[in-house]
Amino acid sequence: KNEVEQSPQNLTAQEGEFITINCSYSVGISALHWLQQHPGGGIVSLFMLSSGKKKHGRLIATINIQEKHSSLHITASHPRDSAVYICAVTNTGNQFYFGTGTSLTVIP
Amino acid sequence: EPEVTQTPSHQVTQMGQEVILRCVPISNHLYFYWYRQILGQKVEFLVSFYNNEISEKSEIFDDQFSVERPDGSNFTLKIRSTKLEDSAMYFCASSVEAGGSEFFGPGTRLTVL
Repeated sequence: KNEVEQSPQNLTAQEGEFITINCSYSVGISALHWLQQHPGGGIVSLFMLSSGKKKHGRLIATINIQEKHSSLHITASHPRDSAVYICAVTNTGNQFYFGTGTSLTVIP
Repeated sequence: EPEVTQTPSHQVTQMGQEVILRCVPISNHLYFYWYRQILGQKVEFLVSFYNNEISEKSEIFDDQFSVERPDGSNFTLKIRSTKLEDSAMYFCASSVEAGGSEFFGPGTRLTVL
């Protein structure tokens, strides 16, 4: 049983396309995190949110607490956005649960 | 820009040996974490640490594992008697506040033979 489910698992897009990655969770959370894992393995935290919406450059993250759902959007995608995007949540006991990741490939 | 560092980048060990993975969190951060990622699998939470004690740990973090902050800068993960299935990438992270944005280290790849 996965507390965090992501879709799609794999995504290929043409450069410039608008991309959406979805995350659903089944536990009560204190925060939701979007992480980016590069092909070399390094992990970068993109967003931490507990309500509403956050924007950073071409990246937008939204969360709907009632529906237990979050989306990560990438506008004007670029090949350098190619990475694995991971959704993770911390529950009210500060335990972490990770999704299996969405592998994004942006083709020039 | 401050960053989390980890050493070594790659550790190879024999089954049954003890290993210590080292991390230097960002200096003003108060919360420290260890995660692991077995090749091809998702990232898994191991343990969180605050105020010199473990605040949360997962089922994976059994008696073979321990963490320590031996001085003001290092944060270590010790595996007492490694098993083949401990082979994974181990990531350290730190944050200013609980559940806050985390900064991840580059990882240590542990290979148990």
